[in-house]
Amino acid sequence: DAMVIQNPRYQVTQFGKPVTLSCSQTLNHNVMYWYQQKSSQAPKLLFHYYDKDFNNEADTPDNFQSRRPNTSFCFLDIRSPGLGDAAMYLCATSLYGGYEQYFGPGTRLTVT
Amino acid sequence: DAKTTQPPSMDCAEGRAANLPCNHSTISGNEYVYWYRQIHSQGPQYIIHGLKNNETNEMASLIITEDRKSSTLILPHATLRDTAVYYCIVRVAGVGSSNTGKLIFGQGTTLQVKP
Repeated sequence: DAMVIQNPRYQVTQFGKPVTLSCSQTLNHNVMYWYQQKSSQAPKLLFHYYDKDFNNEADTPDNFQSRRPNTSFCFLDIRSPGLGDAAMYLCATSLYGGYEQYFGPGTRLTVT
Repeated sequence: DAKTTQPPSMDCAEGRAANLPCNHSTISGNEYVYWYRQIHSQGPQYIIHGLKNNETNEMASLIITEDRKSSTLILPHATLRDTAVYYCIVRVAGVGSSNTGKLIFGQGTTLQVKP
């Protein structure tokens, strides 16, 4: 089945130690999104790629970066994780910007 | 900020219809109403969307009022697996380079389906 895959499902990192989260998709969708969801809160968009074009949200901290080397893969890099970055990170895809989004299962990040 | 208002929580008996309301009084003419749900510890799942006509699919029905200022998501026969947070979102749909497809989630309605 076509799907959105996130690895790992659980990630533990140390304060200040760079970490990379991975997302892949078999849907061949043009758009890939990264959302952050903190405990008991709604998901919040960090940034997205429309094909190779990167679009950052205005309030996304510089500590968060992203790479999309090809259509199928997208990475979320957190350069120096702080305790406040502990959250569920959700990857989503859509065929075009205005179409429905398909979400992966998320990666739960713990910062110690 | 989210452009919708939903009750924070609702209960429903298993096998009964669950009717989840949403207010979106400032909706624009080109904005659609989308519904997603998020089962605990999973990613959100698309349910249904509509512009002004009522819509139905295998998961749910969407009833939009004539003035488009509110809508209701109907799960016709709720099961325990329908227990989740349900998000009502309004946004512009359709293809276009200026349409990022951004979803702005509000706090949603936590639906608890009880045996």
